[in-house]
Amino acid sequence: DSGVTQTPKHLITATGQRVTLRCSPRSGDLSVYWYQQSLDQGLQFLIQYYNGEERAKGNILERFSAQQFPDLHSELNLSSLELGDSALYFCASSFRGNGYTFGSGTRLTVV
Amino acid sequence: GENVEQHPSTLSVQEGDSAVIKCTYSDSASNYFPWYKQELGKGPQLIIDIRSNVGEKKDQRIAVTLNKTAKHFSLHITETQPEDSAVYFCAASTRYGGSQGNLIFGKGTKLSVKP
Repeated sequence: DSGVTQTPKHLITATGQRVTLRCSPRSGDLSVYWYQQSLDQGLQFLIQYYNGEERAKGNILERFSAQQFPDLHSELNLSSLELGDSALYFCASSFRGNGYTFGSGTRLTVV
Repeated sequence: GENVEQHPSTLSVQEGDSAVIKCTYSDSASNYFPWYKQELGKGPQLIIDIRSNVGEKKDQRIAVTLNKTAKHFSLHITETQPEDSAVYFCAASTRYGGSQGNLIFGKGTKLSVKP
């Protein structure tokens, strides 16, 4: 157990739907990062939050959004889902960016 | 922005042999270079990292070297074992202010160690 908790582990949904992925960071970590992993694209950085505020944005689609709550857990919202959004979504946390700890991921399948 | 290239994409070695994975980065401001191991069905796990003020770092059978001038860094695994079989990712980031920027990852190397 890495200390970073992601739920759910698996999600199957239809095109056009909206889903929410949840991440609880390791105790004491203030930063949360979201990554998308697909077979041919590796780990793509989506967005970073630090202590409740957005810190950096990567290749995140406009249909996707995220937030970090006062208790530091984070949610990634994916809407108007397309087949191509099927992927593994990882959350990682860190204290000031010194070594990320990844969760075990959420596997999203859009059918 | 930063771009990280990783080679090879697949690597097969015999148990006991050494394995080397190489990465290059584009942003000369990058100063932190971690390596992650991802086993099937799990999230990536940090195995070793190096900062730009150090040229080499070792931890038992694994070592990382960094050449800042050439902007490349490598992972060396000696005396490979079947449990080393996994996908390995290199990454790079830049430290600014009091914290590290987000990691940019290479596309991964699938290492297979044959008994």
